[in-house]
Amino acid sequence: DARVTQTPRHKVTEMGQEVTMRCQPILGHNTVFWYRQTMMQGLELLAYFRNRAPLDDSGMPKDRFSAEMPDATLATLKIQPSEPRDSAVYFCASGSHLDGPTAFFGQGTRLTVV
Amino acid sequence: AQKITQTQPGMFVQEKEAVTLDCTYDTSDQSYGLFWYKQPSSGEMIFLIYQGSYDEQNATEGRYSLNFQKARKSANLVISASQLGDSAMYFCAFLGYGNNRLAFGKGNQVVVIP
Repeated sequence: DARVTQTPRHKVTEMGQEVTMRCQPILGHNTVFWYRQTMMQGLELLAYFRNRAPLDDSGMPKDRFSAEMPDATLATLKIQPSEPRDSAVYFCASGSHLDGPTAFFGQGTRLTVV
Repeated sequence: AQKITQTQPGMFVQEKEAVTLDCTYDTSDQSYGLFWYKQPSSGEMIFLIYQGSYDEQNATEGRYSLNFQKARKSANLVISASQLGDSAMYFCAFLGYGNNRLAFGKGNQVVVIP
């Protein structure tokens, strides 16, 4: 059963700490998206990658956020230092032009910064 | 940037009835895709249906159909024979094939009542 896997599912951390969220895209998918979901802003696109290269990270606060794909099976989103306003659900989604344009979502990481 | 508009307030639907969720978009792209996702209270994002801008037929997937009116730039989702499990937030999304950004609307809340 192919699925996008995100870890951790839940994270509570103190302000100022580094947070790393991980995503394992569906095997063979070459496009990875990172989204943040809040009540106020809805689903915001933070960054996306194709073939491990970042295509667009204009939605991401550059001073504290960074996104990488060290290899085809792992995407990471880091926040350093974290702030209370970063509290949100962070989703990873993956897709492949071979499977059509659809992006399939992971279950999300619920981040709470206190 | 593309703008996706979902303006309907929360909706109550009687079980077994059909419901239409509105979505309009603003783009200058000629080639694009439109998607609908469902987000139940559990928080996962579930892909429902896809329509390509050059598809001549409206997309259908089981009880879901997409009423695509290209000239009006609308892509409404129709759920037929509503079930209690259809209670969720529904998101319309747009993918421009020029920049490959998958952008989401604010969502529609649907509650199915017995």
